[in-house]
Amino acid sequence: GAVVSQHPSWVICKSGTSVKIECRSLDFQATTMFWYRQFPKQSLMLMATSNEGSKATYEQGVEKDKFLINHASLTLSTLTVTSAHPEDSSFYICSARDFEEGASNSPLHFGNGTRLTVT
Amino acid sequence: AQSVTQPDIHITVSEGASLELRCNYSYGATPYLFWYVQSPGQGLQLLLKYFSGDTLVQGIKGFEAEFKRSQSSFNLRKPSVHWSDAAEYFCAVGATGGGNKLTFGTGTQLKVEL
Repeated sequence: GAVVSQHPSWVICKSGTSVKIECRSLDFQATTMFWYRQFPKQSLMLMATSNEGSKATYEQGVEKDKFLINHASLTLSTLTVTSAHPEDSSFYICSARDFEEGASNSPLHFGNGTRLTVT
Repeated sequence: AQSVTQPDIHITVSEGASLELRCNYSYGATPYLFWYVQSPGQGLQLLLKYFSGDTLVQGIKGFEAEFKRSQSSFNLRKPSVHWSDAAEYFCAVGATGGGNKLTFGTGTQLKVEL
């Protein structure tokens, strides 16, 4: 089945530094990837939709300058948390849809998430 | 706007017992409905989905769900729970033509007593 690889699985950084999270579709092409944020004991909140070759679409309330998204190829999207602060600590999960599955609502394939801790 | 409600935050069942996790959605048209499972510190795995057709949907790991339009529900069921089923379960709804923008419920944490 379709596999989404997310790296790193966990990262600890100091306040004020930037962190890059990678999301790769290993055996399929993904024109669209999605970035979610999950707080402890809570649901997933969509942050942005990442489109290959174009600018990402951010959800209301998500700072685009804070969370930089790049989708340079059909198999890779990156999320960079810039000037991270402790309140950015969270679990970030990416997902992607197989381009060849066709239907606009075919299931999403999720990465295993990245636990970010900002000290 | 679409929304999903999972009324039960925590559920505990004994191994071998039956399970039903509730999910109610709000959406103006025919929704696309999903159930995902998440183990601690992991991403989400798709259990099953409903797009159209038969309202009783079979999924992986022995799970099934029934779409009931009149009740705006999509409850997840399993006849006999295994200890390995302990995890967080999320119901999600996608809008028709919504390009996969899913709205997730708050999740139900399942504990299985041996």
